[in-house]
Amino acid sequence: GAVVSQHPSRVICKSGTSVKIECRSLDFQATTMFWYRQFPKQSLMLMATSNEGSKATYEQGVEKDKFLINHASLTLSTLTVTSAHPEDSSFYICSAASSGLAKNIQYFGAGTRLSVL
Amino acid sequence: GESVGLHLPTLSVQEGDNSIINCAYSNSASDYFIWYKQESGKGPQFIIDIRSNMDKRQGQRVTVLLNKTVKHLSLQIAATQPGDSAVYFCASGALGSARQLTFGSGTQLTVLP
Repeated sequence: GAVVSQHPSRVICKSGTSVKIECRSLDFQATTMFWYRQFPKQSLMLMATSNEGSKATYEQGVEKDKFLINHASLTLSTLTVTSAHPEDSSFYICSAASSGLAKNIQYFGAGTRLSVL
Repeated sequence: GESVGLHLPTLSVQEGDNSIINCAYSNSASDYFIWYKQESGKGPQFIIDIRSNMDKRQGQRVTVLLNKTVKHLSLQIAATQPGDSAVYFCASGALGSARQLTFGSGTQLTVLP
């Protein structure tokens, strides 16, 4: 099956620092990648949709200057949480959709647990 | 607004029994549905999908049923095993769209020994 690698799996940082999370599709080309945020015992909340070579589309209420997304290639998208604060602590998950036949299936990374002190 | 909901937040089943997890969706335009399994601290894992032109699809130990009339789908797991313990999400979308999926709130399945 399609493999999506997300790194790092866990990060602890001080308030005010920026954190970059990488999402890579390892065995397929991902024309579209998605970034989600998940709070404990809750569902996935879509933050933004990222298409290779174009600007990301952010969901309502998600600050684009706070959560910078770059989708520079068909296999890599990054999410940078700028000037992180304790309220940004959460589980961030990326997913990728291929350009192939199963293009509606999103394959997920393992997630990144962000803790801001 | 568009929403996908689950009937039960938690479900406990005895090992070896069959599990049925239900999901209701509200958007009539949804024509594609996926079930994901999420283990604690991990990302969701694709289980099975179904298009709206089907009412049943089977995989390995899993079956998804779709009732478009009442906007309901279910995931059946045969001979539930301890490794099936996880949160299960249904998701809906529209084929040929921006590929966005709307996720349900999740059902925690616990398999009892």
